Amino acid sequence: DSGVTQTPKHLITATGQRVTLRCSPRSGDLSVYWYQQSLDQGLQFLIQYYNGEERAKGNILERFSAQQFPDLHSELNLSSLELGDSALYFCASSPSGTAPHEQYFGPGTRLTVT
Amino acid sequence: QKEVEQDPGPLSVPEGAIVSLNCTYSNSAFQYFMWYRQYSRKGPELLMYTYSSGNKEDGRFTAQVDKSSKYISLFIRDSQPSDSATYLCAMKKTSYDKVIFGPGTSLSVIP
Repeated sequence: DSGVTQTPKHLITATGQRVTLRCSPRSGDLSVYWYQQSLDQGLQFLIQYYNGEERAKGNILERFSAQQFPDLHSELNLSSLELGDSALYFCASSPSGTAPHEQYFGPGTRLTVT
Repeated sequence: QKEVEQDPGPLSVPEGAIVSLNCTYSNSAFQYFMWYRQYSRKGPELLMYTYSSGNKEDGRFTAQVDKSSKYISLFIRDSQPSDSATYLCAMKKTSYDKVIFGPGTSLSVIP
């Protein structure tokens, strides 16, 4: 158990809908990362937050947005969902956001768009 | 061409075998190299971390980085059925940069 929690574990929704995925980092970790993992694209970095501020952006679609709250938990919002958004979404946390080896992954949220 | 390439497998070996997993990359700016293990339906977990070139050993696992060839390897000695998982290589240019993951190699160790 990495200490990172993600809810919900599974989510099934229809095209065009909006969902929110939640992540609680390990105690004391200031940085949160979001990743998308699909069979054809592998593990893709979406966005990183550090202590409430956006620090880095990856291949995140405009339909997706994220934020990190004062208590350091983070939410990833996915809107106007398409079939291709079906994937595993992982959150990871790290103490500083810079140590390359310090990313602890949560168990993921499996999103199915029908 | 993808930045990081990895043979997807699946790779199937008998218990006790030595396993060699490899990644190639195209960007010579990568300096930080990691190997993650991911069990089915779980999040990736860090196995090994290496900075720049060289070897690193941790128990049954050895990571090698050859920057001149843009090639990294993970060796697993005395492989166990519990090593059956997908292995992802990952790399980073600077400590502030994003991590780029390889697509992963699926490994099955048969008892």
